Amino acid sequence: EMQLVESGGGLLQPGRSLRLSCAASGFSFHDFAMHWVRQAPGKGLEWVSGISWDSGITSYADSVKGRFTISRDNAKNSLYLQMNSLRLEDTALYFCAKRDGGSGRYMDVWGKGTTVTVSS
Amino acid sequence: QSVLTQPPSVSGAPGQRVTISCTGSSSDIGAGYGVHWYQHLPGTAPKLLIYGNNNRPSGVPDRFSGSKSGTSASLAITGLQAEDEADYYCQSYGSLSAYVFGTGTKVTVL
Repeated sequence: EMQLVESGGGLLQPGRSLRLSCAASGFSFHDFAMHWVRQAPGKGLEWVSGISWDSGITSYADSVKGRFTISRDNAKNSLYLQMNSLRLEDTALYFCAKRDGGSGRYMDVWGKGTTVTVSS
Repeated sequence: QSVLTQPPSVSGAPGQRVTISCTGSSSDIGAGYGVHWYQHLPGTAPKLLIYGNNNRPSGVPDRFSGSKSGTSASLAITGLQAEDEADYYCQSYGSLSAYVFGTGTKVTVL
């Protein structure tokens, strides 16, 4: 069974940093692009960042560009999101998601998420 | 990045048919990119419901169907069941190399 499990969320003050992790299992992690998607309280889904299978291509939403860094370790079947200069508006449930294996540009496996709360 | 527009809520009685619209622009849906749909129950992982406009992953009931025309798309649920009560999101890809989600629609089974 394909599975994604996020971890690393927490409560912290504005301006601080946090690193999220996502552990993948049940599929060939190194073959697929991966994404982070978030959901702020009472809001909808928002794409945050994506990374290609070989880390050669990364992309970010304008709202996090320059503050967040996505990375992966294929040897450890793990995806990461380094979040710096956190803002109140970064408060959200952060999901890790696997991209489809073709050109569809959709996400076919999701984790249950990890919660990040930024508060003074 | 842009956001796709969905109605905030739709409702229907068990057995009825409901549709959810997803309106984009010439930079995303209208640019030829596929539209995909997800079902999300709070506290759970979002689930892929429809991919590539009108394709169902294995295990998704054929009560769910998708369509796309121009800069818009729709998700239809026929034979509405209590278990279908959830939030639904459309998603596509924008010409600025960004993934875009819909605003989300809450489906209520009366």
